[in-house]
Amino acid sequence: NAGVTQTPKFRVLKTGQSMTLLCAQDMNHEYMYWYRQDPGMGLRLIHYSVGEGTTAKGEVPDGYNVSRLKKQNFLLGLESAAPSQTSVYFCASSPFLQNNYGYTFGSGTRLTVV
Amino acid sequence: DAKTTQPNSMESNEEEPVHLPCNHSTISGTDYIHWYRQLPSQGPEYVIHGLTSNVNNRMASLAIAEDRKSSTLILHRATLRDAAVYYCILRAMDSNYQLIWGAGTKLIIKP
Repeated sequence: NAGVTQTPKFRVLKTGQSMTLLCAQDMNHEYMYWYRQDPGMGLRLIHYSVGEGTTAKGEVPDGYNVSRLKKQNFLLGLESAAPSQTSVYFCASSPFLQNNYGYTFGSGTRLTVV
Repeated sequence: DAKTTQPNSMESNEEEPVHLPCNHSTISGTDYIHWYRQLPSQGPEYVIHGLTSNVNNRMASLAIAEDRKSSTLILHRATLRDAAVYYCILRAMDSNYQLIWGAGTKLIIKP
């Protein structure tokens, strides 16, 4: 059981380039989330999805887009990368929105924009 | 903004119990208390959660104050592998049940 898998694990982009981060989960979870984590800080929510075909904005959505075409996959896109988007990105999933379930996280994607 | 307050760091000796405190004075009746930990260079890992009663699982225990304004994560016998940043989070209906993360407590285990 792989849990939550993120690809790629590392990436260096030049300012203005675009890329897509892929998150895949094999636990049949309804909810999926994208977070970013800057050094010494907690995670901040970028976008999330409450089911296939639906997405919503989180705390820091600007500069990012997402899609959830299949239940098991949640894509995070950067259309025109900026140095301020240098961060570690984590994907997570959970069975339901309510409180009785913990989140399962991926191992992260370390993105550097130069 | 995070609704919890935790010490920036704590130190403990290996094989001794560790008590990690968390204050959440503005907690409401429907807010659950969640704990996650993040080992170096890894994604966060769910540890435990609770509402009113104390909770135990294979990883830790969660002691919740009677007024629910504070809680304590207890690691019964810390090992070097428990060195991590521990996050105490309120999962609240008014934030649409999202996890709002603070900076957490960095736990240092001394051999």
